Amino acid sequence: DAKTTQPNSMESNEEEPVHLPCNHSTISGTDYIHWYRQLPSQGPEYVIHGLTSNVNNRMASLAIAEDRKSSTLILHRATLRDAAVYYCVGGGGTSYGKLTFGQGTILTVHP
Amino acid sequence: GAVVSQHPSWVICKSGTSVKIECRSLDFQATTMFWYRQFPKQSLMLMATSNEGSKATYEQGVEKDKFLINHASLTLSTLTVTSAHPEDSSFYICSARDRGRQMNTEAFFGQGTRLTVV
Repeated sequence: DAKTTQPNSMESNEEEPVHLPCNHSTISGTDYIHWYRQLPSQGPEYVIHGLTSNVNNRMASLAIAEDRKSSTLILHRATLRDAAVYYCVGGGGTSYGKLTFGQGTILTVHP
Repeated sequence: GAVVSQHPSWVICKSGTSVKIECRSLDFQATTMFWYRQFPKQSLMLMATSNEGSKATYEQGVEKDKFLINHASLTLSTLTVTSAHPEDSSFYICSARDRGRQMNTEAFFGQGTRLTVV
């Protein structure tokens, strides 16, 4: 399983973009990079995932480094509802569905 | 999006009793479901992989006789915490992926079950 490293916490102001970094230098060639976020006392919520190419969806963008050893989750305009713990997770390619979570980044959004 | 439902959302039980937690995929079939445990201010820890129609696969250090997993159908997996003790108090979360889609799709998580053993 890919080990991921993220900053413990980050802060942002409302309406500003947020770039959440993640290092996953041991990721295998078939493992996808997933991002989930979790609010207190709730299960994680899917944000985005990708393999090699940058990905966009309605929630965020995922920029994946060419060597796949790191990635960045981009929230284009942070809102107070985006305050959560964000997990970068590697896996799922060869082990169907199995995701191993790292410590995550606590994102605080200031009004 | 796909929905995974856990029941109950919270439970308080006496030490020594057993507690069953259900995880259901409501609008898709899941050959495989996963059970996680999360202690306060910590990340999710994978406990076991639940396989429909076969034995669960447990992660290292997780007691299979204490955490009984049954995956009797493509939409239901249950986790039973047997002879619960206060140290088993935690937030238990299940997840599943849609078997009808490709392997590289997102996982869907239940809302979690808060277990308190007194």
